[in-house]
Amino acid sequence: DAGVIQSPRHEVTEMGQEVTLRCKPISGHDYLFWYRQTMMRGLELLIYFNNNVPIDDSGMPEDRFSAKMPNASFSTLKIQPSEPRDSAVYFCASSSGAGYGYTFGSGTRLTVV
Amino acid sequence: AQSVTQLDSQVPVFEEAPVELRCNYSSSVSVYLFWYVQYPNQGLQLLLKYLSGSTLVKGINGFEAEFNKSQTSFHLRKPSVHISDTAEYFCAVTFNTDKLIFGTGTRLQVFP
Repeated sequence: DAGVIQSPRHEVTEMGQEVTLRCKPISGHDYLFWYRQTMMRGLELLIYFNNNVPIDDSGMPEDRFSAKMPNASFSTLKIQPSEPRDSAVYFCASSSGAGYGYTFGSGTRLTVV
Repeated sequence: AQSVTQLDSQVPVFEEAPVELRCNYSSSVSVYLFWYVQYPNQGLQLLLKYLSGSTLVKGINGFEAEFNKSQTSFHLRKPSVHISDTAEYFCAVTFNTDKLIFGTGTRLQVFP
């Protein structure tokens, strides 16, 4: 298995533009998680899905952020409109359940200028 | 509130010395405990985990951790570190849910 695949690896965009981050989880994993990592706030859980259904989105910062999982092999995190304070590394992770731990993707480094 | 505390933001150590990275969590509910490592510009990689059973768990790269229920701790140890162990280490806990709550991380810097 190729692991959790995220794209793009790097994204530079101007303030106000729409940004879409993509994630392909490991086949057979029922859970998918989106995290954001910054120096100031560390690793923050934004949202997670179980069997393609959003379970907890309490970490989503505001309405500008949205996430979807249309099928078991694909998820997106969208920011519209983007702001400079959204600059961070965004990680996607997948899992078979709590006791198995998570497998993380390599992350998307987002820079909003 | 359920939380994970890594008191040491940075730990400098010389090569071949032993190291301990501390992790405490705040809950009496059933927990699963994990340590992850993050090398520069990479994602997080699972080092080891504790689910149940023996309180001493061994992981990859010579690391081990001990679960102490009474002290709600899960400290990570290695008897002799290498330069290549320089990285960020994260403790993480599930508090009877599917969500992993991460600590703020400890930067291990190994000097020659």
